[in-house]
Amino acid sequence: DQQVKQNSPSLSVQEGRISILNCDYTNSMFDYFLWYKKYPAEGPTFLISISSIKDKNEDGRFTVFLNKSAKHLSLHIVPSQPGDSAVYFCAARGNTGTASKLTFGTGTRLQVTL
Amino acid sequence: NAGVTQTPKFRVLKTGQSMTLLCAQDMNHEYMYWYRQDPGMGLRLIHYSVGEGTTAKGEVPDGYNVSRLKKQNFLLGLESAAPSQTSVYFCASSGTSGGPRFFGPGTRLTVL
Repeated sequence: DQQVKQNSPSLSVQEGRISILNCDYTNSMFDYFLWYKKYPAEGPTFLISISSIKDKNEDGRFTVFLNKSAKHLSLHIVPSQPGDSAVYFCAARGNTGTASKLTFGTGTRLQVTL
Repeated sequence: NAGVTQTPKFRVLKTGQSMTLLCAQDMNHEYMYWYRQDPGMGLRLIHYSVGEGTTAKGEVPDGYNVSRLKKQNFLLGLESAAPSQTSVYFCASSGTSGGPRFFGPGTRLTVL
């Protein structure tokens, strides 16, 4: 049972436009969420996180929105740049255990075109 | 500052062989993790450690063992490799319990 779902395997966006990557979860016990970016043949890179007590967190061009009632979070990248082309993973932590045990989504491949 | 390094980068094993993957971090992090990534799946936690001398099981620990004898190193062992262990393995570390922050470049393991 996939508790963290990224239903769009791929997304293509023009340079300069907004990229919106979505993530849905089913476990209401998740209380902390993270986004990672991964380039081919490299390890993932931590991007941004959000606690369930917030509904928005910003870091430069990256903003994560959390809608707890819908069990949905999204990552907005504005403006999108060619260097943003990568696979993006969302991950979630349950509040009954350590944050060491994250549940990852399957990833969305973002391509930013010129 | 090398961050998180993994050795080796690639390895091919025959079924039943054993090997050890080495992860090293130079950031003095308490938390270290081993993940595997398979096609079409998210990263899955194998084992993790919350400090020197400690280890704990993750989501998919069967067939793997780990050791954290030194704070900077986290070793992942396969005692008797199976084709189902063909995967890309990532090590990660963090200074807090807020999840992995820094990942190594990965080890691509093929078991024939």
